Amino acid sequence: AQTVTQSQPEMSVQEAETVTLSCTYDTSESNYYLFWYKQPPSRQMILVIRQEAYKQQNATENRFSVNFQKAAKSFSLKISDSQLGDTAMYFCAFRNNAGNMLTFGGGTRLMVKP
Amino acid sequence: NAGVTQTPKFRILKIGQSMTLQCTQDMNHNYMYWYRQDPGMGLKLIYYSVGAGITDKGEVPNGYNVSRSTTEDFPLRLELAAPSQTSVYFCASSYGDKYTEAFFGQGTRLTVV
Repeated sequence: AQTVTQSQPEMSVQEAETVTLSCTYDTSESNYYLFWYKQPPSRQMILVIRQEAYKQQNATENRFSVNFQKAAKSFSLKISDSQLGDTAMYFCAFRNNAGNMLTFGGGTRLMVKP
Repeated sequence: NAGVTQTPKFRILKIGQSMTLQCTQDMNHNYMYWYRQDPGMGLKLIYYSVGAGITDKGEVPNGYNVSRSTTEDFPLRLELAAPSQTSVYFCASSYGDKYTEAFFGQGTRLTVV
């Protein structure tokens, strides 16, 4: 079974600064899919960014980018120019190659301060 | 487009009672999932389904049952509710294409007293 670990339970960052959230995972598969989801206080789960393991290039979505290190089984999320609306829980998720299992990490609570 | 709809949004159960959490999606997704989220924690997979008539256990299936008679619906049944089942429950769905995201419902907050 796959496991996903987020080692930072809470983080804070000043508005307009950059923050990096860490995620590591354990798997024996060579291809898989990684996601970052955001959960604001409304409880809605919102996709932030995704990465396919066999693609070398790191995914980027506007202010959000990832640092995918396949050998190290690491998938960190960088948020640039942090905004107050980025305050939320962030979850790293792993989807196996068969696609049937979507496993989440324990989450990182991010607070953006004005 | 409604997406993934869960009912009810809130529920209080007494110990030993049973209930069904409803989940329906209108996106013709073949994969559906049930997760629970305990306070301040991540999501743990309870059950999942890859299509109508097919279900399988996730990480924490004890105390729950599911069925998938149609593509759209994936109800979660709690039998003999216990305080340990106090949690927020999320239903999600996705296409079988592994790169696509899972879409989530708004969650059901369940309290067992």
